Amino acid sequence: GAGVSQSPRYKVTKRGQDVALRCDPISGHVSLYWYRQALGQGPEFLTYFNYEAQQDKSGLPNDRFSAERPEGSISTLTIQRTEQRDSAMYRCASSLYKGQGGTEAFFGQGTRLTVV
Amino acid sequence: AQSVTQLDSHVSVSEGTPVLLRCNYSSSYSPSLFWYVQHPNKGLQLLLKYTSAATLVKGINGFEAEFKKSETSFHLTKPSAHMSDAAEYFCVVSVVLSSASKIIFGSGTRLSIRP
Repeated sequence: GAGVSQSPRYKVTKRGQDVALRCDPISGHVSLYWYRQALGQGPEFLTYFNYEAQQDKSGLPNDRFSAERPEGSISTLTIQRTEQRDSAMYRCASSLYKGQGGTEAFFGQGTRLTVV
Repeated sequence: AQSVTQLDSHVSVSEGTPVLLRCNYSSSYSPSLFWYVQHPNKGLQLLLKYTSAATLVKGINGFEAEFKKSETSFHLTKPSAHMSDAAEYFCVVSVVLSSASKIIFGSGTRLSIRP
């Protein structure tokens, strides 16, 4: 597609429910990143993939959070048993080259998750 | 370890005066550095990037940044602030590790412009 697409744009869920956030990167982009951004804060790294391989998941807060990218394109971030503290903007980004630090990341518009 | 530090959480300048947003990085490898801007309720937009070519980088909207290896800095400047520059600015470092790369954000600097 023309840009990184995230869905849904907004998600309100009840505490304890599972949610799945989707990211469709720019076609052909090798690397895909997930970030979480609380109000008034910078984006916090969660995890990233090169192709289908999850390279680093050190930023995932706990084992309720997981991510996959099974075919090296679309990625899903899943949060199980959501808690109010999970409320944030979740941002996905993709970049063209694996291992090429000089390539900038292109960001989607984000998914605003609210847990009530 | 890699990190990026934005020295000011909030900067306020008058319209028409210079802007300076400070960023220092730490990296064991040759980094690539970026500045992103985020306007309220908008996504992240790339302002400029440094990727080991010219140390003075020009970006969009009149912004520029200079990579200074000796000072491990990548400060963002603009000669004359405009009201539309009011936004959150993020300094970002991208580092190649083995066969992968990692992008790390600073905590952000909120730029306010006084009329």
